[in-house]
Amino acid sequence: EIVLTQSPATLSLSPGERATLSCRASQSVSSYLAWYQQKPGQAPRLLIYDASNRATGIPARFSGSGSGTDFTLTISSLEPEDFAVYYCQQRSNWPPGGTFGQGTKVEIK
Amino acid sequence: EVQLVESGGGLVQPGGSLRLSCAASGFTFSSYWMSWVRQAPGKGLEWVANIKQDGSEKYYVDSVKGRFTISRDNAKNSLYLQMNSLRAEDTAVYYCARDQEAIAVAAYFDYWGQGTLVTVSS
Repeated sequence: EIVLTQSPATLSLSPGERATLSCRASQSVSSYLAWYQQKPGQAPRLLIYDASNRATGIPARFSGSGSGTDFTLTISSLEPEDFAVYYCQQRSNWPPGGTFGQGTKVEIK
Repeated sequence: EVQLVESGGGLVQPGGSLRLSCAASGFTFSSYWMSWVRQAPGKGLEWVANIKQDGSEKYYVDSVKGRFTISRDNAKNSLYLQMNSLRAEDTAVYYCARDQEAIAVAAYFDYWGQGTLVTVSS
């Protein structure tokens, strides 16, 4: 089973600052990695797929990079609506399904 | 507009059963792989099961194999999850989610329902 480890668990930043979130896989997932945003009481929203492709309607301040085992989600300048929990997900060993990281909470400092 | 609406959650005793439903609209349901993803209270996301467009392939996370069954009715644009022998650790919000790609499979999820809460407790 491929395990995804996200760091840090919590990131405390101010609006306008740059956020850098990490996701590390226990073995190579090539570029088969996605990022989701989840706000309290809401379903997750797909942000990035295949490591670096923005999903439909996602603002350009969100970018993804990486391949193999190390991936990064960058939010170039935090907007108030960006404070949320972010999950990475891999689909490298599909089927059966993908696995998620444990999440990184981006909170207001 | 794509919509996924789950129903069927509730309180059930350990060992009991529950059937979740997901009503889909706004897209050609029969063209997409569909999945169930769950989230225990205060915890992260866990993929549970998925099903191919025609129902011919189904996959499950190990922890639910033999207890949960995913199915779909393309004529009714509906996805189901039959959950038997429920355990306390199955307590979670269950989301219905659509695969990102039609016809093929991306195994990423671009649309999600609002979720339905399943609580397993005596």
